[in-house]
Amino acid sequence: AQKVTQAQTEISVVEKEDVTLDCVYETRDTTYYLFWYKQPPSGELVFLIRRNSFDEQNEISGRYSWNFQKSTSSFNFTITASQVVDSAVYFCALGGGWSGGFKTIFGAGTRLFVKA
Amino acid sequence: GAVVSQHPSRVICKSGTSVKIECRSLDFQATTMFWYRQFPKQSLMLMATSNEGSKATYEQGVEKDKFLINHASLTLSTLTVTSAHPEDSSFYICSARDSEGNTYNSPLHFGNGTRLTVT
Repeated sequence: AQKVTQAQTEISVVEKEDVTLDCVYETRDTTYYLFWYKQPPSGELVFLIRRNSFDEQNEISGRYSWNFQKSTSSFNFTITASQVVDSAVYFCALGGGWSGGFKTIFGAGTRLFVKA
Repeated sequence: GAVVSQHPSRVICKSGTSVKIECRSLDFQATTMFWYRQFPKQSLMLMATSNEGSKATYEQGVEKDKFLINHASLTLSTLTVTSAHPEDSSFYICSARDSEGNTYNSPLHFGNGTRLTVT
């Protein structure tokens, strides 16, 4: 079975603090893809990153960085120097696996509050 | 980038009526679209996979007669909530993969969602 766990329901930080959102996944597949999406208060979902299971290189995009550790089945997301505009719900997702019928499943989401 | 347009963004209807939600891929063709449902402060639950020119594939527990899906063209999928009841009130979101990938490993591009309130 495939599963995505985001243990942190809500996180509250003060602007300029760094924050890490955790994501742990389960899958039997050797080929799969991991994603992060952002859902601001307006409701739309914004794609942030995709990582395939064979690429464990960490990635940095501006203030965002991602740490993929296959050994611990984790794909954590760090926001450096957080800003109020980062306040949103962040979803980690798992997809592309044969055992999951190639569907994309989402974690429960982590609600991030960034206070000025 | 790939744009998915969903309409309407909000709808309020009376119990017993039907509501149709449209999902369009504006700048790409999508042979497959996905419909998700999101309850307040919860995750996205896949309801069904909409396949162009064929029947939709529903997830376990989703009533196909209640949530009618039609994917008549490569750029349009519709979800009709039939005989809506208050418990159907939710946020419905469609998504699609762009044609360049259009494979299972491509990221999903989401519409802005439809907030349905059934009174």
